[in-house]
Amino acid sequence: EAGVAQSPRYKIIEKRQSVAFWCNPISGHATLYWYQQILGQGPKLLIQFQNNGVVDDSQLPKDRFSAERLKGVDSTLKIQPAKLEDSAVYLCASSLSPPPDTQYFGPGTRLTVL
Amino acid sequence: GQQLNQSPQSMFIQEGEDVSMNCTSSSIFNTWLWYKQDPGEGPVLLIALYKAGELTSNGRLTAQFGITRKDSFLNISASIPSDVGIYFCAGLRVAGNTPLVFGKGTRLSVIA
Repeated sequence: EAGVAQSPRYKIIEKRQSVAFWCNPISGHATLYWYQQILGQGPKLLIQFQNNGVVDDSQLPKDRFSAERLKGVDSTLKIQPAKLEDSAVYLCASSLSPPPDTQYFGPGTRLTVL
Repeated sequence: GQQLNQSPQSMFIQEGEDVSMNCTSSSIFNTWLWYKQDPGEGPVLLIALYKAGELTSNGRLTAQFGITRKDSFLNISASIPSDVGIYFCAGLRVAGNTPLVFGKGTRLSVIA
């Protein structure tokens, strides 16, 4: 069974530029999550989707971050404009059902903002 | 926001030694999870605990859900080089739409 796919794996941009990350969850997984992992920290949830609807985006900085999962499968996370403090690994995870169902993580996208 | 205190922050051990790490919280959790993260990869679930007092093993790994529901520990017996990585605890307060909260991780180094 294929795991969670993410692209790109690495991205370097300058502050104030925009960037987008893509995630393809495990086939059949209805719940999709985006996490931000700053160096030396554990992952922090940014947004949770159930199919194509947002369940929890309370920790998403909505002035600059946006995410969508239009057809309930793939998802994109966008940052516009990026700030230096956005440098982090952005992890996508998916699960068959909402928590406490097991979440499976992708390899992440490492973003560096200069 | 919610905080999990994980300790130690890092540890260096000799191959073959046993390892113990723990996680505490000021809040009650209904689920405790332990993940391992290798460099350049996402976290991988090692053990899930759903009941206070539960003791669960997965090969050389053993984890326990504290009876107060505010702590958990993970033991690794007879460590081997491939145990190197960052171990995270994570807690879930209630089933449903509450976010998984992660600790800051324990970085484990194994000296052969």
